[in-house]
Amino acid sequence: KNQVEQSPQSLIILEGKNCTLQCNYTVSPFSNLRWYKQDTGRGPVSLTIMTFSENTKSNGRYTATLDADTKQSSLHITASQLSDSASYICVVSARRSGGSNYKLTFGKGTLLTVNP
Amino acid sequence: EAQVTQNPRYLITVTGKKLTVTCSQNMNHEYMSWYRQDPGLGLRQIYYSMNVEVTDKGDVPEGYKVSRKEKRNFPLILESPSPNQTSLYFCASRPLGQEKDTQYFGPGTRLTVL
Repeated sequence: KNQVEQSPQSLIILEGKNCTLQCNYTVSPFSNLRWYKQDTGRGPVSLTIMTFSENTKSNGRYTATLDADTKQSSLHITASQLSDSASYICVVSARRSGGSNYKLTFGKGTLLTVNP
Repeated sequence: EAQVTQNPRYLITVTGKKLTVTCSQNMNHEYMSWYRQDPGLGLRQIYYSMNVEVTDKGDVPEGYKVSRKEKRNFPLILESPSPNQTSLYFCASRPLGQEKDTQYFGPGTRLTVL
């Protein structure tokens, strides 16, 4: 069964500090891995997308890594800001058989709170 | 501005009263999808559509219907809502064919069924 597990479930850090969120997956056949940021009550917004051949991708203060051998990814946030408070969702894409469509498997997210 | 819109944003209804949540995108995307998000469960796909008149079930389709008569619109229909359909619903769209294409989400519709 395709699964995406995220840890920790929640995290509280002080403004200016760094943090790393983890994602382990068992999705097959793997196509790509995405990290989304979801502010409370709003739709998820894409941060990074990585395919099998990419092991790191940056978007400003956000850096995602991917180890396709161990099926693990991490999202590192540098110099956190109050606006980083959100849920961060790891999403793994698998190609559906026989077409160009992809099935997304969503993790449950890590709720990050950045305090002043 | 490229966006996915949903209406209504908030809805409180009673068991059995048919309702429709609309979704529209202005990016000419082929693929559209509906998700529900519940505490502790993450996002789960209800239905998806790969193009006009092409729809298919996701992981949790029971109690829902969809239609895709136009490329830009993908309404979600609850023929006889029940309290277990109380949830936060998201519509999303993306182009087809490119594996790294971003999926764009709407702002969400919070539905309460009493």
